[in-house]
Amino acid sequence: QSALTQPASVSGSPGQSITISCTGTSSDVGGYNYVSWYQQHPGKAPKLMIYDVSKRPSGVSNRFSGSKSGNTASLTISGLQAEDEADYYCCSYAGSSTWVFGGGTKLTVL
Amino acid sequence: EVQLVESGGGLVQPGGSLRLSCAASGFTVSSNYMSWVRQAPGKGLEWVSVIYSGGSTYYADSVKGRFTISRDNSKNTLYLQMNSLRAEDTAVYYCARGLVATLGAFDIWGQGTMVTVSS
Repeated sequence: QSALTQPASVSGSPGQSITISCTGTSSDVGGYNYVSWYQQHPGKAPKLMIYDVSKRPSGVSNRFSGSKSGNTASLTISGLQAEDEADYYCCSYAGSSTWVFGGGTKLTVL
Repeated sequence: EVQLVESGGGLVQPGGSLRLSCAASGFTVSSNYMSWVRQAPGKGLEWVSVIYSGGSTYYADSVKGRFTISRDNSKNTLYLQMNSLRAEDTAVYYCARGLVATLGAFDIWGQGTMVTVSS
């Protein structure tokens, strides 16, 4: 149950696009289409942004999109806005009724 | 409104016990898979445990044998019994609802309850 690997930080200017990667193994990210992404503002609970690799829950902006290739999943945020500044976590089902999260990525909007 | 409200956190000595509660409203706990996820101060999220609608339970290796997840259907409440607590169990504990029809996500989260293990 090792944590998925995410970059510690990414940054972008308003209006730009950024991509956050999430690397796992064939036992988690690569083995299932059960990758989700969460946004967490300081002191707040996580919020689901993407599930099943690329699906968006109702109410989440279409500026957020997800994809996966092999053992690496990605979250792309287009048209960056100030309110997107937050921590982002990926999560994958890891088999045997267990889940694993990434270490988190701090997004800074310049 | 669909929501989860945790309670029961606090300060406990190493080796002690604590029971967390997560009261649900707007949906039925027993109809979904439900999990506990924790976050140590300044750290990332860590999945802790799950209980399925059928009652099966599973745990992260880090808490197996020490923590027990359960639910009370009559109270629509999820619990986490934590025994033999260690300093490394210090964290905010969140309960979260599994998204129906997929193992891919947790769509509703509580506000969290802080557990501090220290002498």
